[in-house]
Amino acid sequence: GAVVSQHPSRVICKSGTSVKIECRSLDFQATTMFWYRQFPKQSLMLMATSNEGSKATYEQGVEKDKFLINHASLTLSTLTVTSAHPEDSSFYICSAGKPQETQYFGPGTRLLVL
Amino acid sequence: AQKVTQAQTEISVVEKEDVTLDCVYETRDTTYYLFWYKQPPSGELVFLIRRNSFDEQNEISGRYSWNFQKSTSSFNFTITASQVVDSAVYFCALSDMDSNYQLIWGAGTKLIIKP
Repeated sequence: GAVVSQHPSRVICKSGTSVKIECRSLDFQATTMFWYRQFPKQSLMLMATSNEGSKATYEQGVEKDKFLINHASLTLSTLTVTSAHPEDSSFYICSAGKPQETQYFGPGTRLLVL
Repeated sequence: AQKVTQAQTEISVVEKEDVTLDCVYETRDTTYYLFWYKQPPSGELVFLIRRNSFDEQNEISGRYSWNFQKSTSSFNFTITASQVVDSAVYFCALSDMDSNYQLIWGAGTKLIIKP
């Protein structure tokens, strides 16, 4: 299957700082990438759909000014958690894949905001 | 509305036993896709299988097999001769036109294989 990388794998930051997470498709061009959030012992929650060259589509209840998504190329999407607070601590996972096809997932980023 | 139900929250078996993870789905579309993913403790989601609604053939891949039955809207997953490395959370997911082919996730089943 396709390979998706995510960086960093783990980040600890102070409250009020911003954190950027990168998602890269290594062996294919991804016009669409997805960002998920996963709380402990729960399923994945879709945050937004990132489309190359256009604005991301956010799910209901997800603050677009809080979670900035940029998909500037066919292989890279970034999620920036702005002014992070302890409640933003979570496991963030990206995936890449075309609609109707398989989504391949990155290894995830564990964010801890102190 | 679409829905995926994994009624088994947690299953625990002894190594070498066979185990079946259930998945029941709901959709109004005639064209849809079903998936299984494995999430080991490391957190990464590993793709296992994708099946479209027009292909009801069961599939076997090594110790893994999948039973797709449209009549009961089920897509069950069986691991034969389970191993400790199979311990993980397994997610079933659905995508269809109504959801713009975004993944609709089940709650997941935590599988524990005891040595």
